[in-house]
Amino acid sequence: GQNIDQPTEMTATEGAIVQINCTYQTSGFNGLFWYQQHAGEAPTFLSYNVLDGLEEKGRFSSFLSRSKGYSYLLLKELQMKDSASYLCAVKGGRSNYQLIWGAGTKLIIKP
Amino acid sequence: SAVISQKPSRDICQRGTSLTIQCQVDSQVTMMFWYRQQPGQSLTLIATANQGSEATYESGFVIDKFPISRPNLTFSTLTVSNMSPEDSSIYLCSVSGTSGFTDTQYFGPGTRLTVL
Repeated sequence: GQNIDQPTEMTATEGAIVQINCTYQTSGFNGLFWYQQHAGEAPTFLSYNVLDGLEEKGRFSSFLSRSKGYSYLLLKELQMKDSASYLCAVKGGRSNYQLIWGAGTKLIIKP
Repeated sequence: SAVISQKPSRDICQRGTSLTIQCQVDSQVTMMFWYRQQPGQSLTLIATANQGSEATYESGFVIDKFPISRPNLTFSTLTVSNMSPEDSSIYLCSVSGTSGFTDTQYFGPGTRLTVL
């Protein structure tokens, strides 16, 4: 079957670093996406990994290990506006276009 | 990324009626998708809207309940038919195959539907 696991909720302090993990078991793999979704808004694209390793974009980095079926999103220098849900999605189901979505991790930032 | 708009942004409807949601993109895109998101839940794919042919529906979703049109490469509609309170949700369209990241899905702002 297709399965993506993420922690339901995490709490971190403003200015700190947080790592959100995602593990996946899918019938195929053609890339992994991270999206950010603020309450009441649509998801917005953060990062895409298709090869093993770390991709860095400013305060956000995403890591992928295909052999372990594992990814993480690293957020540095946390700001209050980073309070949101973070969704992990894998392209690798029965179609080349569809994404398999995790349930999302709600990140709460405290002052 | 493409600019995606949805109409209406929200609506309150009576049981048994139907609502059509429009999704408009400012550039031609390869793929268009329709999702549903219940409060506090992740995204559930309803169907892939295919240009010039019938949509491809996911398990649990049928054309009679969620008819979809895609007359061209920039526009699609989703109709929620014979609504019940269980249909209350946020409906999102997304697109991929825009210039740049061809695999990345970009989302419209969503339509918040409440069925009484």
